[in-house]
Amino acid sequence: SQTIHQWPATLVQPVGSPLSLECTVEGTSNPNLYWYRQAAGRGLQLLFYSVGIGQISSEVPQNLSASRPQDRQFILSSKKLLLSDSGFYLCAWRATGSRGTQYFGPGTRLLVL
Amino acid sequence: SQQGEEDPQALSIQEGENATMNCSYKTSINNLQWYRQNSGRGLVHLILIRSNEREKHSGRLRVTLDTSKKSSSLLITASRAADTASYFCATDPNFGNEKLTFGTGTRLTIIP
Repeated sequence: SQTIHQWPATLVQPVGSPLSLECTVEGTSNPNLYWYRQAAGRGLQLLFYSVGIGQISSEVPQNLSASRPQDRQFILSSKKLLLSDSGFYLCAWRATGSRGTQYFGPGTRLLVL
Repeated sequence: SQQGEEDPQALSIQEGENATMNCSYKTSINNLQWYRQNSGRGLVHLILIRSNEREKHSGRLRVTLDTSKKSSSLLITASRAADTASYFCATDPNFGNEKLTFGTGTRLTIIP
């Protein structure tokens, strides 16, 4: 069966520090991968998605970047965090070419101070 | 406004009652999906309804889709305290891209 992992679960970082959040998927090949951000009590904002290794689409201009160095690995990064980067970050995968379900990881709560 | 908006934003009902949430969207869709999110957790898929379907059931869940009105509803019957969560609709567009568009969510609270 497929599983999706995210880490860390919680992160407190000072403004101006770098960020690296990792997401890995097991049990499937060539998935579509997604990064979302969710503000407290709000909906999901799609940040990046990827349909293959090295292929990244950015949805909104921002202080963040994403990379997909391996088929089932998706990384969210920042060189210098802003206060506004605080939030709940969710990684998700979906079978390539599928019109079906997205499967979400447990999320990373990021607090920038 | 955003594609996929749920109504109401928040709903509190007594345990045992039925809960109904609505979702409106703007573009032509291939399917519409409902997800549930417990506080501080990832989203979990509940049910998918295709554009050529009008109603679908899964356990205590009933979803309807009206493509002429671009709207969907999620009914949870005989609610339980464990149903307390946020519920999101997500639309899969008919054309192009690989993305779902999520609504803003309904926060459901079941009062024991």
